[in-house]
Amino acid sequence: DTGVSQNPRHKITKRGQNVTFRCDPISEHNRLYWYRQTLGQGPEFLTYFQNEAQLEKSRLLSDRFSAERPKGSFSTLEIQRTEQGDSAMYLCASREGSIEAFFGQGTRLTVV
Amino acid sequence: AQTVTQSQPEMSVQEAETVTLSCTYDTSESDYYLFWYKQPPSRQMILVIRQEAYKQQNATENRFSVNFQKAAKSFSLKISDSQLGDAAMYFCAYRSGRGSTLGRLYFGRGTQLTVWP
Repeated sequence: DTGVSQNPRHKITKRGQNVTFRCDPISEHNRLYWYRQTLGQGPEFLTYFQNEAQLEKSRLLSDRFSAERPKGSFSTLEIQRTEQGDSAMYLCASREGSIEAFFGQGTRLTVV
Repeated sequence: AQTVTQSQPEMSVQEAETVTLSCTYDTSESDYYLFWYKQPPSRQMILVIRQEAYKQQNATENRFSVNFQKAAKSFSLKISDSQLGDAAMYFCAYRSGRGSTLGRLYFGRGTQLTVWP
């Protein structure tokens, strides 16, 4: 499978715990995006990487959120001290020069 | 900031019929791209069709076509000969054009399409 891969697909965590999600983009795609999608809403942009550089962060990305993309390959999104409001689908997308972005299947986070 | 509005939270269509989903957007840019994405229950976002703002011709992909009205900032999706597999959430999205190095997407809230047999 050469598409965008996200792991885990589902994560249930207790409030206050830390969680980390992983995104493996399509090989050689140098642009990587994280979005968050809550029920009944369209995806909202969180952050953008070009290679290993994080070039843009949304105001939605509070100081409890951090994203990395070491070596410009896979990316991780960590949420510290999770809150119930963090429950959402976290989507990763990548592209390389092409106009369209390709999305992964997402990680559904439930904070209980 | 760019905004995308989908005014139809839900739409339904009979199998084999035609349905049109509406989308309007607001931007001060002249160069941009517009997209329709489909999100079935499996949740993976799939590109349906795209339109470059500099192109006057409306994009077409098999049963899917768009009506792009740049002056009105309108971008509707027409699905012809609807199939049961077309049932999904459809999102309209906007992206800044070739001069932008970022390429983030702005999404509408989506339209849930139901296809009746």
